[in-house]
Amino acid sequence: AQKITQTQPGMFVQEKEAVTLDCTYDTSDQSYGLFWYKQPSSGEMIFLIYQGSYDEQNATEGRYSLNFQKARKSANLVISASQLGDSAMYFCAMREVGAGYALNFGKGTSLLVTP
Amino acid sequence: SAVISQKPSRDICQRGTSLTIQCQVDSQVTMMFWYRQQPGQSLTLIATANQGSEATYESGFVIDKFPISRPNLTFSTLTVSNMSPEDSSIYLCSVEFTSGRREQYFGPGTRLTVT
Repeated sequence: AQKITQTQPGMFVQEKEAVTLDCTYDTSDQSYGLFWYKQPSSGEMIFLIYQGSYDEQNATEGRYSLNFQKARKSANLVISASQLGDSAMYFCAMREVGAGYALNFGKGTSLLVTP
Repeated sequence: SAVISQKPSRDICQRGTSLTIQCQVDSQVTMMFWYRQQPGQSLTLIATANQGSEATYESGFVIDKFPISRPNLTFSTLTVSNMSPEDSSIYLCSVEFTSGRREQYFGPGTRLTVT
């Protein structure tokens, strides 16, 4: 069964607007971590933000914030004030402590920021 | 965060040959992982590289095809053996550090094309 679901294959947003990328997850572990990565066309995976299952506050890193709703098992990424350089693939991933610490990735969302 | 490097950054190889990819980190890490990203796909874990012992492989990946070494806490290699065009992918190492919030960071990737 798919552990990480990203339902938006592609998204468009206008420059300077905010955008939300959806991610839902499935786990029976109590301890887990949720990650978002950006992959530009160069292929590198750029770490954006991390949320631990026990973290009480939503994670924020600059223009990135993670809307963590534990009961709904969702971990949406919010990018504020989009920039042209934000155009890339975005991957949500989960690490379950009971599964050896490796990451399980969603299929990704392609974001295009338009002028 | 530390610097993670991979060599080579890209290569074009003939079928039936082997390629060894190196991953070097400039500080000690607890965990090192190898992932594969086939064209247009998400990342799939190949194996966890264990320091001083045999790697732990995921279902569908075998040691004869993807031998991995990790001689110390800062270095690992992945070999893609007896290559076929289906092995054309981006290969990425990721690391998790000994301290902090167990965030995982990726190397820049190796883009492999098999002809």
